[in-house]
Amino acid sequence: DVVMTQSPLSLPVTLGQPASISCRSGQSLVHTDGNTYLSWFQQRPGQSPRRLIYKVSNRDSGVPDRFSGSGSGTDFTLKISRVEAEDVGVYYCMQGSHWPPKTFGQGTKVDIK
Amino acid sequence: EVQLLESGGDLVQPGGSLRLSCAASGFTFSNNGMSWVRQAPGKGLEWVSSITGSGDGTYYADSVKGRFTISRDNSKNRLYLQMNSLRAEDTAVYYCTGGAEYWWGQGTLVTVSS
Repeated sequence: DVVMTQSPLSLPVTLGQPASISCRSGQSLVHTDGNTYLSWFQQRPGQSPRRLIYKVSNRDSGVPDRFSGSGSGTDFTLKISRVEAEDVGVYYCMQGSHWPPKTFGQGTKVDIK
Repeated sequence: EVQLLESGGDLVQPGGSLRLSCAASGFTFSNNGMSWVRQAPGKGLEWVSSITGSGDGTYYADSVKGRFTISRDNSKNRLYLQMNSLRAEDTAVYYCTGGAEYWWGQGTLVTVSS
């Protein structure tokens, strides 16, 4: 199974400041079809998860452009350019390149300082 | 508008069975693989099982293999998860997901306890 490791696990941020979450995989996430199936999810308190980013850097419909994804191989990053109050929650990365099983990172809790 | 509506969660004793259902609307159900993802209380997300659009391919996490069965009825736009031999560690909110985890339901709570 591909282990996904996120850091940090807790991220206090100041409103209006940038934030960055790292996700590392135990093996390269490049699929045999050439794509890299790495997604990012946001889970606000009391809500279902919501996909933000797919295939490393593609923003889903309706996702604010302050969210961006980058990376390749085994190292990936989710960046929030200017944190807003509505961004509070837990963020997860997930790989779908080598499944079953699909595997998630442990989650990173983002809150306001 | 896409909607996924789970039902069937309940309190069940260890060793018992439960069947979860997910009613889908707003997209061509038979064209999409679907999955179940669960979240134990206060914990992270765990992929449980997936099924292809036609239903001819099914996949399971090792933790549920041999106990859970995923299925679908494309004529009814419904996804199912039959859960047998339930254990305390199966206690979680179970989410129905589709579109490569783009769409998520609101979840249904399964509690396994005596």
